[in-house]
Amino acid sequence: RKEVEQDPGPFNVPEGATVAFNCTYSNSASQSFFWYRQDCRKEPKLLMSVYSSGNEDGRFTAQLNRASQYISLLIRDSKLSDSATYLCVVPTASKLTFGTGTRLQVTL
Amino acid sequence: NAGVTQTPKFQVLKTGQSMTLQCAQDMNHEYMSWYRQDPGMGLRLIHYSVGAGITDQGEVPNGYNVSRSTTEDFPLRLLSAAPSQTSVYFCASSYGGQGARNSPLHFGNGTRLTVT
Repeated sequence: RKEVEQDPGPFNVPEGATVAFNCTYSNSASQSFFWYRQDCRKEPKLLMSVYSSGNEDGRFTAQLNRASQYISLLIRDSKLSDSATYLCVVPTASKLTFGTGTRLQVTL
Repeated sequence: NAGVTQTPKFQVLKTGQSMTLQCAQDMNHEYMSWYRQDPGMGLRLIHYSVGAGITDQGEVPNGYNVSRSTTEDFPLRLLSAAPSQTSVYFCASSYGGQGARNSPLHFGNGTRLTVT
């Protein structure tokens, strides 16, 4: 099993839709997790941190399921500006391991 | 507050040439790292450092060297460039050395390198 796995997408959704991405990880000792957003040809930027069962920030909700070893990102009321690649990041040993990302395209 | 500064933004090299990608941060972060990003491969860790004087290899270290003589700077050296090193390179830092795995990363703007 890969250290971090994500569905690459793309997820094409209409504006206003709710969309969810999952990320599975293999290291059961990982304690904290991150979702990053990356726009085309730009650097990744932190979207949310997940330290316990979940975190909510406006339209974005991140949830952690330790038993099944996955984290999810839910985006409600999608906006055109949400179009980007979403990267799941999991700590492994003394480093952070990135998933390959899930691409989201929000359309009119 | 500049954050993480990478130079150059773009670089074209011929096979066999060497060069250094610069990375500096002004946030007093202990942890610094270099990633490369290739289509379909995601971000892969090249080298990282948990503090001045300490470096370690990541997932894809071959062909690259690093040093960490100060907390602020973490240069990445390409010893003899190869076309396989054509990629986008990101430097990133975070608060905390050994505890870096629990701290989010701050990224530089990236360096787009082409090796012909």
